[in-house]
Amino acid sequence: DAGVIQSPRHEVTEMGQEVTLRCKPISGHNSLFWYRQTMMRGLELLIYFNNNVPIDDSGMPEDRFSAKMPNASFSTLKIQPSEPRDSAVYFCASSLRGGGVGEQFFGPGTRLTVL
Amino acid sequence: AQRVTQPEKLLSVFKGAPVELKCNYSYSGSPELFWYVQYSRQRLQLLLRHISRESIKGFTADLNKGETSFHLKKPFAQEEDSAMYYCALSGQGAQKLVFGQGTRLTINP
Repeated sequence: DAGVIQSPRHEVTEMGQEVTLRCKPISGHNSLFWYRQTMMRGLELLIYFNNNVPIDDSGMPEDRFSAKMPNASFSTLKIQPSEPRDSAVYFCASSLRGGGVGEQFFGPGTRLTVL
Repeated sequence: AQRVTQPEKLLSVFKGAPVELKCNYSYSGSPELFWYVQYSRQRLQLLLRHISRESIKGFTADLNKGETSFHLKKPFAQEEDSAMYYCALSGQGAQKLVFGQGTRLTINP
């Protein structure tokens, strides 16, 4: 198993552009998490899904951010319009609800730079 | 509110010396605590969880409810321990993890 897959690995865009980050969770996992990592704030949970349904989106910074999970094997995080302060590493993680407590499996991350 | 504090952003020790990465938490209920690690060019991964009371790669962590701490310790540091370490908390039975800001540990030869 390749683990959690994220694409792209790096994204450089200009302010105002739409950015879409993609994630494929581990097959069989039923929970998916999106995190943002910055030097100032560390690792923050943005949103998570159980069985493709958003459960907690309280970490989504503002309306410019949206996330979807149309099926069990795919999720997107969209930023529209993007701003320089959105520059960060975005991680996707998946877990098996009812599996090992607290064990989330992380993807390699997408490094986003907004100019 | 749930909060995890790692007071040291950077920690540098010499090989063979003891190492302690500090973690304090704030949670009104009964917490579950974890340590995650990210080695260079690798993914963030679970190192250990307090309920398992295990030692992984020589590391241990004891939950101290009186001091609301979950410090990570290793008696003799090795160069391969150099990594970014995150302490994380979840409510009992909850899925959501709250992470600290992380501590970058460097082991000097």
